[in-house]
Amino acid sequence: LAKTTQPISMDSYEGQEVNITCSHNNIATNDYITWYQQFPSQGPRFIIQGYKTKVTNEVASLFIPADRKSSTLSLPRVSLSDTAVYYCLVLYGGSQGNLIFGKGTKLSVKP
Amino acid sequence: GAVVSQHPSWVICKSGTSVKIECRSLDFQATTMFWYRQFPKQSLMLMATSNEGSKATYEQGVEKDKFLINHASLTLSTLTVTSAHPEDSSFYICSCYGAGGFYNEQFFGPGTRLTVL
Repeated sequence: LAKTTQPISMDSYEGQEVNITCSHNNIATNDYITWYQQFPSQGPRFIIQGYKTKVTNEVASLFIPADRKSSTLSLPRVSLSDTAVYYCLVLYGGSQGNLIFGKGTKLSVKP
Repeated sequence: GAVVSQHPSWVICKSGTSVKIECRSLDFQATTMFWYRQFPKQSLMLMATSNEGSKATYEQGVEKDKFLINHASLTLSTLTVTSAHPEDSSFYICSCYGAGGFYNEQFFGPGTRLTVL
């Protein structure tokens, strides 16, 4: 599994756009980039997944450059309820693989 | 997304006793379930992978005789912490694979907080 590196923590204010970047230099051809969100004392929740370029859903956008060695999770207009830990994972496509969680990024949204 | 439940949501027990945690997939059949453990301010650590009808596969360093996993049906997996000790106090989370539209998408339960006195 490709190793990922992301900032330990980030601070933001309500209404701002937050971008969390994840590095995955040894990503393989069949790997997908996936982000999960975890609130305290809860299980993680799938946010978004992508392979290349840009993916957008009702919650976030995921930007992936052509070399795919990094990706950026973008949260538009965050609110206090977006305070959570965000995990970036690189997964081999098509297999029932295990999820190996890194340390994640603790996002703190302030009023 | 699919719904996964865990029971109990929290449990306090005395040292030396055994505790059983249930994980259920409520609206889909999960051929594979995973069990994770999370200590305070740390990330999730995979403990074992459980496939319906077969023995669980444990990660290195996880004692299979201490953490008994049973996956008897496509909707239920149980984790039994045997002879629990204070160092087993942790947040235990299960996840189910098999219903999402994304690669390796797993649906997580709400977790079980275990405190061993």
